[in-house]
Amino acid sequence: GAVVSQHPSRVICKSGTSVKIECRSLDFQATTMFWYRQFPKKSLMLMATSNEGSKATYEQGVEKDKFLINHASLTLSTLTVTSAHPEDSSFYICSARGGRVTEKLFFGSGTQLSVL
Amino acid sequence: GDSVTQMEGPVTLSEEAFLTINCTYTATGYPSLFWYVQYPGEGLQLLLKATKADDKGSNKGFEATYRKETTSFHLEKGSVQVSDSAVYFCALSFSGGSNYKLTFGKGTLLTVNP
Repeated sequence: GAVVSQHPSRVICKSGTSVKIECRSLDFQATTMFWYRQFPKKSLMLMATSNEGSKATYEQGVEKDKFLINHASLTLSTLTVTSAHPEDSSFYICSARGGRVTEKLFFGSGTQLSVL
Repeated sequence: GDSVTQMEGPVTLSEEAFLTINCTYTATGYPSLFWYVQYPGEGLQLLLKATKADDKGSNKGFEATYRKETTSFHLEKGSVQVSDSAVYFCALSFSGGSNYKLTFGKGTLLTVNP
């Protein structure tokens, strides 16, 4: 079946640094990719939707200058958390939509970000 | 806005026990409903879905019935196995069943002991 690879699985960084998370569709072309975040004991919340070659659409309340999303190819989307702060510590998950017959949604395994 | 509420975990069961994970939703209209499962170290996978009232989704021995009158989509399995240990997410979508813009519950961690 289709696989989405998300990297890294875990990252610890100092406050003020930027962190990049990659999401790759390994055996299909992802026309749309989604980024979610989950705080402890909270729901997965959609942050933004990105389509290849165009600007991402951010959900209300998500800072587009803080969370930079690039979807430069049909197999790769990146989320960069700029000038990370402890409150950005969270679990981030990407998903990709695409497929040969029916359009399905496939998820990465997530990235646990801890900002010290 | 739309929301999904599922039972708090963690849930710990012995092998062959009966499982129920409750899920209720709040939405304007009639969404499609989903259960996703996340095994340790893996991405979320679609477990089952239902797109209209009274539909029953089923997969791998799991079942859930779309109950419009109680706005619920409870997940059940008659006899759990150790391999069912995972986090289970209930979700809804209005995207015509194409499950792309999803509203999730918080997830319920299930641990099945031998």
